Amino acid sequence: GAVVSQHPSRVICKSGTSVKIECRSLDFQATTMFWYRQFPKKSLMLMATSNEGSKATYEQGVEKDKFLINHASLTLSTLTVTSAHPEDSSFYICSALKDGLYGYTFGSGTRLTVV
Amino acid sequence: KQEVTQIPAALSVPEGENLVLNCSFTDSAIYNLQWFRQDPGKGLTSLLLIQSSQREQTSGRLNASLDKSSGRSTLYIAASQPGDSATYLCAVVGGNKLVFGAGTILRVKS
Repeated sequence: GAVVSQHPSRVICKSGTSVKIECRSLDFQATTMFWYRQFPKKSLMLMATSNEGSKATYEQGVEKDKFLINHASLTLSTLTVTSAHPEDSSFYICSALKDGLYGYTFGSGTRLTVV
Repeated sequence: KQEVTQIPAALSVPEGENLVLNCSFTDSAIYNLQWFRQDPGKGLTSLLLIQSSQREQTSGRLNASLDKSSGRSTLYIAASQPGDSATYLCAVVGGNKLVFGAGTILRVKS
């Protein structure tokens, strides 16, 4: 199989604080992971591509200093939302590609609420 | 730039009905196409993956077809059940990125 675990599933934080979200590939190594953001009743928006051992590639319009991505191992990528504000409240989902047979596997998502 | 469109945006059917969800894409140079299901507040569950060289894939009551030349894919759900109620997303892969459609919200009434 191809299983991706995402943690936490939901988090509430105060404005100005930072929040870290973890994405782990449990039964395969993922040199590349992807971070998405989803607004209510909308489809997924790709934020960045996380590359093991190198800098992440951010999509146009995504602030790299606001959304810090670290992919320090072949099974773990983290997304840190720095100095969070209420407008950062959203559903964040990660995914990884095992191979062409399995396609993309997604985590269960993290509901971030900034108060 | 690849664009993916899903029709209809929403669908409500009685239990037991067979139904078809449509997906179209503008650039036929895709690596593969994947159908996902998303339940409210949850992540995505992969339903079917069709390689660009394939015409269709089947899993249980689900059948997905792919016509690359015309830029279309369909997801056929047989004998729908209330548990099939969810948002169905079509995504095409090109250049190591997934491009998603906006989804079809399906409601199966018991």
